Amino acid sequence: DAGITQSPRHKVTETGTPVTLRCHQTENHRYMYWYRQDPGHGLRLIHYSYGVKDTDKGEVSDGYSVSRSKTEDFLLTLESATSSQTSVYFCAISESLAIGTDTQYFGPGTRLTVL
Amino acid sequence: QKEVEQNSGPLSVPEGAIASLNCTYSDRGSQSFFWYRQYSGKSPELIMFIYSNGDKEDGRFTAQLNKASQYVSLLIRDSQPSDSATYLCAVPQGGSEKLVFGKGTKLTVNP
Repeated sequence: DAGITQSPRHKVTETGTPVTLRCHQTENHRYMYWYRQDPGHGLRLIHYSYGVKDTDKGEVSDGYSVSRSKTEDFLLTLESATSSQTSVYFCAISESLAIGTDTQYFGPGTRLTVL
Repeated sequence: QKEVEQNSGPLSVPEGAIASLNCTYSDRGSQSFFWYRQYSGKSPELIMFIYSNGDKEDGRFTAQLNKASQYVSLLIRDSQPSDSATYLCAVPQGGSEKLVFGKGTKLTVNP
């Protein structure tokens, strides 16, 4: 998985609780991404980062926040989890050598269930 | 408004046949395209990147890009049961690093 780890790999939580997912890379890639994948919707971008402390919203950012204080770590936080946020979450990284041509490499994923 | 469309399938082919997967996109300015393979319960992995018009071959895989008709296809020759997976098409969004993914086509290769 191209030096990408995600933690936890599985989590069950209750509605209203905060949840933080962590993505860690050892590739020193500039770009990092958080996606969610749901049946019938495919992969959808939540937030991405183009450098330390530089982040931007994706297609489905409502209810999520992110932080990147170090190149290697990208955190995704659900401030108050809802059942609609039950999903599989993937982190991805890319090197950004040339806009639009860089491969994104994916982490193993985190399966989150919100009861 | 979804920018990348794929037939969700499932597509079922016999072992040894050619599997053909299609993807259409809405942005005429798109220059590059990615095909990812995702096994059930696993993360997506890149199998093909195509930039220019025409065909690109890599082993049993061929990507075909037709910019005039705004579609990109993936052909898998001599399909194997191990090719059974969901195939995702992705297109960079508006000259950025962000990728827009299709919903994927599930392929089953029957022995």
